[in-house]
Amino acid sequence: AQKVTQAQTEISVVEKEDVTLDCVYETRDTTYYLFWYKQPPSGELVFLIRRNSFDEQNEISGRYSWNFQKSTSSFNFTITASQVVDSAVYFCALNGGATNKLIFGTGTLLAVQP
Amino acid sequence: KAGVTQTPRYLIKTRGQQVTLSCSPISGHRSVSWYQQTPGQGLQFLFEYFSETQRNKGNFPGRFSGRQFSNSRSEMNVSTLELGDSALYLCASSLVGTVGETQYFGPGTRLLVL
Repeated sequence: AQKVTQAQTEISVVEKEDVTLDCVYETRDTTYYLFWYKQPPSGELVFLIRRNSFDEQNEISGRYSWNFQKSTSSFNFTITASQVVDSAVYFCALNGGATNKLIFGTGTLLAVQP
Repeated sequence: KAGVTQTPRYLIKTRGQQVTLSCSPISGHRSVSWYQQTPGQGLQFLFEYFSETQRNKGNFPGRFSGRQFSNSRSEMNVSTLELGDSALYLCASSLVGTVGETQYFGPGTRLLVL
């Protein structure tokens, strides 16, 4: 069975702090894909990153960075120097097996205070 | 390129009624998936359509159905509405819906069942 766990329900930080959102996944597939999406109050899920199981290179995009570790089945997301506009719910998702169905975690609500 | 669009954005219905939601994918995308988001169950996969055929289905009762047209636009229908059907319904599109392909989401339709 596939499962994604986001243990942090809510995180509150002050602007300019760094924050890491945790994601732990379970799958028996050898080939799988991991995603992060951002959901602002408007409701739309905004795609942030896609990573396949064979690529463990960390990635940095501006203030965002992702740490993928197969040994611990984790795909953590760090925002450096957080801003109020980063306030949203962030979802980690897994796709593997024979379909493109996404299995989502429960999400982490990030509140960045000015 | 225009993103995924969904209509209507908001809907209020009463128990027992039926509802039809519409989704227009990104131009050139042929795979459309539907997800239900509720506070209790989180984000759950409903079904996926490709080339006018339902290719994958989630664990939802038969009251939930959908279809896809030749221009890749999709509709989902919920018959005999129940209070528990109140949710944000999200549509996502991808090129052909293969495993690992990035799905791009629309703004969703918020359905309230009274």
